[in-house]
Amino acid sequence: ETGVTQSPTHLIKTRGQQVTLRCSSQSGHNTVSWYQQALGQGPQFIFQYYREEENGRGNFPPRFSGLQFPNYSSELNVNALELDDSALYLCASSQQQGANEQFFGPGTRLTVL
Amino acid sequence: GDSVTQMEGPVTLSEEAFLTINCTYTATGYPSLFWYVQYPGEGLQLLLKATKADDKGSNKGFEATYRKETTSFHLEKGSVQVSDSAVYFCALKETSGSRLTFGEGTQLTVNP
Repeated sequence: ETGVTQSPTHLIKTRGQQVTLRCSSQSGHNTVSWYQQALGQGPQFIFQYYREEENGRGNFPPRFSGLQFPNYSSELNVNALELDDSALYLCASSQQQGANEQFFGPGTRLTVL
Repeated sequence: GDSVTQMEGPVTLSEEAFLTINCTYTATGYPSLFWYVQYPGEGLQLLLKATKADDKGSNKGFEATYRKETTSFHLEKGSVQVSDSAVYFCALKETSGSRLTFGEGTQLTVNP
């Protein structure tokens, strides 16, 4: 059974640029959630996708957007990058919407200069 | 809104010492409670969970009991090992919700 994978591992961008992060969910999982973890803090919920539709969103501006594909993999897009967007971005998959257990990938470390 | 508060860290212990990491929560409903662990350079791993009051979650020698009367879910281990060194996060999820709400994390260092 393949776990949750994310790409790239690390990324460096400059202010104002756009970035796309990718996540492949665990086999058999149809729900993907994204979290932002700033250095020294706990993860913050960005949004969740279930069957290609956004299903819940945290307190993040619209320049954070996402997609889920028919194979349940997902993308997180961030436009107009700001310095404060520097963080570890974590993807988590679960078997169904509202499931208690979420399985996390290793994350993508984004640095905005 | 929902929130999770963890004891301030970092925590440094000697091998075989007793560990307690305090966690309290605020929630409007009846959440499920979790402890996640994050090793350096890695994502989060679920350590244990409890879905209703008085449930005890346990795994790898770690335990936590869901105490509704004190809104707490303290993590304990009787004898820590060097390999337990990591950051520990307490989290909750409302029954009908989709998001996990995390505390700020507690860095644990175990010295030989």
